[in-house]
Amino acid sequence: ETGVTQTPRHLVMGMTNKKSLKCEQHLGHNAMYWYKQSAKKPLELMFVYSLEERVENNSVPSRFSPECPNSSHLFLHLHTLQPEDSALYLCASSLSGYTSTDTQYFGPGTRLTVL
Amino acid sequence: AQTVTQSQPEMSVQEAETVTLSCTYDTSENNYYLFWYKQPPSRQMILVIRQEAYKQQNATENRFSVNFQKAAKSFSLKISDSQLGDTAMYFCAFMKWWGNKLVFGAGTILRVKS
Repeated sequence: ETGVTQTPRHLVMGMTNKKSLKCEQHLGHNAMYWYKQSAKKPLELMFVYSLEERVENNSVPSRFSPECPNSSHLFLHLHTLQPEDSALYLCASSLSGYTSTDTQYFGPGTRLTVL
Repeated sequence: AQTVTQSQPEMSVQEAETVTLSCTYDTSENNYYLFWYKQPPSRQMILVIRQEAYKQQNATENRFSVNFQKAAKSFSLKISDSQLGDTAMYFCAFMKWWGNKLVFGAGTILRVKS
């Protein structure tokens, strides 16, 4: 695998379920990001991790819980979601989280549907 | 706070022709970066082109070029010799000079017709 991969690609869950999204980057990057892409809305940054430390939490509800066990892996744990949380969740990585000269590379996304 | 506006929700272009996608932004920063990302249907989003605000010369990448007007806070993307593979959602994005937060516009769906 090369680049940024995400699993699963599609997920359907009920409002009482607990699930996790996984992201893995094979680029040797040190920063990873979660974005939410809703229909007809701009992409919204959710979380940023740099060297496994969370450096940004963009006022995301606590029902979304990120985890970054190492610089190659990023998880988004989901619990008691709402139907309005249905969206495409994109993971991205960049060489460094502290310089804007770094291009962010995106994964294919997980299409989440909350029933 | 920065905002990015893409006023064209959808556009169409005939294969081999040229199309321009519009983007305006609002910021009080003097130095920053601007980006165009492409998201093909069911495929990963990739960087098309990027511009540093301190550079007066417009960025160019093969068939893709930008018209950066700093005073007007405008950053349009021109695609020359459009190809079917250019069909995608195009996002304009802003990033501060020192920071990792991308602020995206709502996107423009571009359809290239044969």
